[in-house]
Amino acid sequence: EPEVTQTPSHQVTQMGQEVILRCVPISNHLYFYWYRQILGQKVEFLVSFYNNEISEKSEIFDDQFSVERPDGSNFTLKIRSTKLEDSAMYFCASRPNLGARGEAFFGQGTRLTVV
Amino acid sequence: AQKITQTQPGMFVQEKEAVTLDCTYDTSDQSYGLFWYKQPSSGEMIFLIYQGSYDEQNATEGRYSLNFQKARKSANLVISASQLGDSAMYFCAMREGRGNAGNMLTFGGGTRLMVKP
Repeated sequence: EPEVTQTPSHQVTQMGQEVILRCVPISNHLYFYWYRQILGQKVEFLVSFYNNEISEKSEIFDDQFSVERPDGSNFTLKIRSTKLEDSAMYFCASRPNLGARGEAFFGQGTRLTVV
Repeated sequence: AQKITQTQPGMFVQEKEAVTLDCTYDTSDQSYGLFWYKQPSSGEMIFLIYQGSYDEQNATEGRYSLNFQKARKSANLVISASQLGDSAMYFCAMREGRGNAGNMLTFGGGTRLMVKP
């Protein structure tokens, strides 16, 4: 069964460093998302991406964040200068079509720890 | 106002019994979807069940069913015959149909279910 793959599963980084979280969505999916979950809290939407551009982003997704799909398969989230409060589980998700129907398929997550 | 509210931070259920996890939502859209995801201690998000706003029948997927009461804006998850492996966090989520927007999911705060042997 096709699945969304995220790497690495866990990353530890020093405050102020840049990190890139990688995702390989399901191959025929068109819509891609990043969510984050701070430990013990709810899952929060960061950004959605369609047709090689951001379609929507939340207030969390400030200038420190960027996304791209460099080669048609990978979907990356970059945090330019990490802060302690960026420590969270980051989930990539993809879905095949627009509209309210259809579930998003989530990757297994990348746990980011900023020290 | 919260778009998705899960009022039970934690619940216990005896193995083999049924349990209902509550979820209420708030939207002005006519077209929307409601989802339940399971998050075990390993951290991944596992899709369980979906209910569309125009679906007249309650959704069912194996031991999972969704008690959809549109007028009350509730979408409770019912797990029948609980198993030890059902112990996990459960998140209710909503996607509002907004045409060509991002159609992201909005999640509730989750309910931690613990199944007792």
